[in-house]
Amino acid sequence: QKEVEQDPGPLSVPEGAIVSLNCTYSNSAFQYFMWYRQYSRKGPELLMYTYSSGNKEDGRFTAQVDKSSKYISLFIRDSQPSDSATYLCAMTPSNTGNQFYFGTGTSLTVIP
Amino acid sequence: EAQVTQNPRYLITVTGKKLTVTCSQNMNHEYMSWYRQDPGLGLRQIYYSMNVEVTDKGDVPEGYKVSRKEKRNFPLILESPSPNQTSLYFCASSQLTGRFWELFFGEGSRLTVL
Repeated sequence: QKEVEQDPGPLSVPEGAIVSLNCTYSNSAFQYFMWYRQYSRKGPELLMYTYSSGNKEDGRFTAQVDKSSKYISLFIRDSQPSDSATYLCAMTPSNTGNQFYFGTGTSLTVIP
Repeated sequence: EAQVTQNPRYLITVTGKKLTVTCSQNMNHEYMSWYRQDPGLGLRQIYYSMNVEVTDKGDVPEGYKVSRKEKRNFPLILESPSPNQTSLYFCASSQLTGRFWELFFGEGSRLTVL
């Protein structure tokens, strides 16, 4: 079993829709949870991160962590064509900087 | 501009021909790492380095070598490439932001081994 599971999609939504992206994980030691966005032919870039359980909001983006269910989500409100990208979840058990576990990524297309 | 620079971006080579993918960062980060990205497998760590002359294996180190002689550079060496090393490679550097290590990725190097 992989440490981090993520539905690869692809996901296609109309502009303005609410998008929900999800990951599950098996290691209860994970403490930091991240979402990276990767545009075509580019490297991933950090979108949001949260520590432990709870919600975090940044503009149109909301990250949720439910440690009891080992489940994390990223919600995108009022989705835009510029949101079309692959979204990678990532997590790490500590802040030592060398143990990041990534999901396989979900490909999202927002249709104008 | 803060960035991680990888070269080459695209490379086609043949089995057994040694190659080096260079990586350089201008952010004075101590931590650097290499990942490979494959369909259905996601990003997997090859090697990482916590500082100059300090390197360690990640999850998939077989067939790769690294060195860290300077803080800014972290080259990935394939001594004898094989077709199963055909992949998209990313170099990353990171810094501690509060309690959190943020990874900064290069734009990737797509390698094909024939």
